[in-house]
Amino acid sequence: NAGVTQTPKFQVLKTGQSMTLQCAQDMNHEYMSWYRQDPGMGLRLIHYSVGAGITDQGEVPNGYNVSRSTTEDFPLRLLSAAPSQTSVYFCATERLGRIGGTQYFGPGTRLTVL
Amino acid sequence: AQSVTQPDIHITVSEGASLELRCNYSYGATPYLFWYVQSPGQGLQLLLKYFSGDTLVQGIKGFEAEFKRSQSSFNLRKPSVHWSDAAEYFCAVGMKTSYDKVIFGPGTSLSVIP
Repeated sequence: NAGVTQTPKFQVLKTGQSMTLQCAQDMNHEYMSWYRQDPGMGLRLIHYSVGAGITDQGEVPNGYNVSRSTTEDFPLRLLSAAPSQTSVYFCATERLGRIGGTQYFGPGTRLTVL
Repeated sequence: AQSVTQPDIHITVSEGASLELRCNYSYGATPYLFWYVQSPGQGLQLLLKYFSGDTLVQGIKGFEAEFKRSQSSFNLRKPSVHWSDAAEYFCAVGMKTSYDKVIFGPGTSLSVIP
């Protein structure tokens, strides 16, 4: 039982490049989300999904795309990276149906955009 | 709009000393409240949460937190700090009406002096 896994752990991009951050979970949780963490700002929600085929925007969605074709995977795509997207990205999952439930976080991906 | 403040950016305590991390929130209704801990290079781990009932909540690793509605606070405490408690601590507030509306505070960094 691996929980929530994220790849890669580290990534350096040049401005304008594209890439996909991977998130996978083996807990059969319906809810998956992406956060970015910036110094002094805590975590901010980028996008989330309540199940396969269903996604929605969070607080800071601009510049990011997501899709959810399976329960297990929730990739985050940067179509044209910008220096403002330098951050640490966390994927989280939660079992739905329980208000106030626990989110389980992956280890994070540290992204630098030059 | 709901918000979370953690007044202390950084706290240093001696090993064995008591600890209190402050968290204040702004929300029109009764929220559900979380404390997460993040060790260096790791994802976030749930320490404890308050949903309803007893306002004193016990968590893992010997932590506890008290919900005070009159003060809009949810302070985290530990009677005796261990060196392994050095980490970043995040308070978070969730809305009962929406699982996705979890707002994180900016975090408090804890250093422990041996």
